[in-house]
Amino acid sequence: EDKVVQSPLSLVVHEGDTVTLNCSYEVTNFRSLLWYKQEKKAPTFLFMLTSSGIEKKSGRLSSILDKKELFSILNITATQTGDSAVYLCAVRNYGGSQGNLIFGKGTKLSVKP
Amino acid sequence: DVKVTQSSRYLVKRTGEKVFLECVQDMDHENMFWYRQDPGLGLRLIYFSYDVKMKEKGDIPEGYSVSREKKERFSLILESASTNQTSMYLCASRDWTSGREGETQYFGPGTRLLVL
Repeated sequence: EDKVVQSPLSLVVHEGDTVTLNCSYEVTNFRSLLWYKQEKKAPTFLFMLTSSGIEKKSGRLSSILDKKELFSILNITATQTGDSAVYLCAVRNYGGSQGNLIFGKGTKLSVKP
Repeated sequence: DVKVTQSSRYLVKRTGEKVFLECVQDMDHENMFWYRQDPGLGLRLIYFSYDVKMKEKGDIPEGYSVSREKKERFSLILESASTNQTSMYLCASRDWTSGREGETQYFGPGTRLLVL
């Protein structure tokens, strides 16, 4: 059965800290791995990763994929209170005509002032 | 088996035309989504709907509107199509009845829209 596991489930840090969120997966016919930030509404897309070892970076956020060990990490440096959210990892497979997204349960990040 | 269908696989329209993309799911899911997918950009959320008659803007709602009059149907409307709306449009549905558990989105086959 396809699954995506994120850790930790919950994390509390202070502003300025650096955090690393983990996502491991067991998915047949892997296509891509995606990171989303979810505040009150639907997920906001952050990154899509398809190749191992290539870091994707956007401001203070970065992510990398290891297809051999089947995991990805999302790093946030110099955290701010606005980074507080649930971070979702999802893996897209080749199932069906366009593939399905299998989500992890998310990591709830709380950044304290 | 969850089924999400989209009204057209391929569509060619002219600039300025009004375009309707229909999506139907048969699993009584509360949440439905419209994404567009462009090379190198991944999936970008246009609009989503928590439930009937509810809609929320996603990341790129400009130039689009949506309608959810019935639970199974979520329509994406391009009020006046432009060439930069040429893309693959994907509809998805999700059963969100228990919070974080089992958050799988089920996608339709996609509609490839070409605006000339």
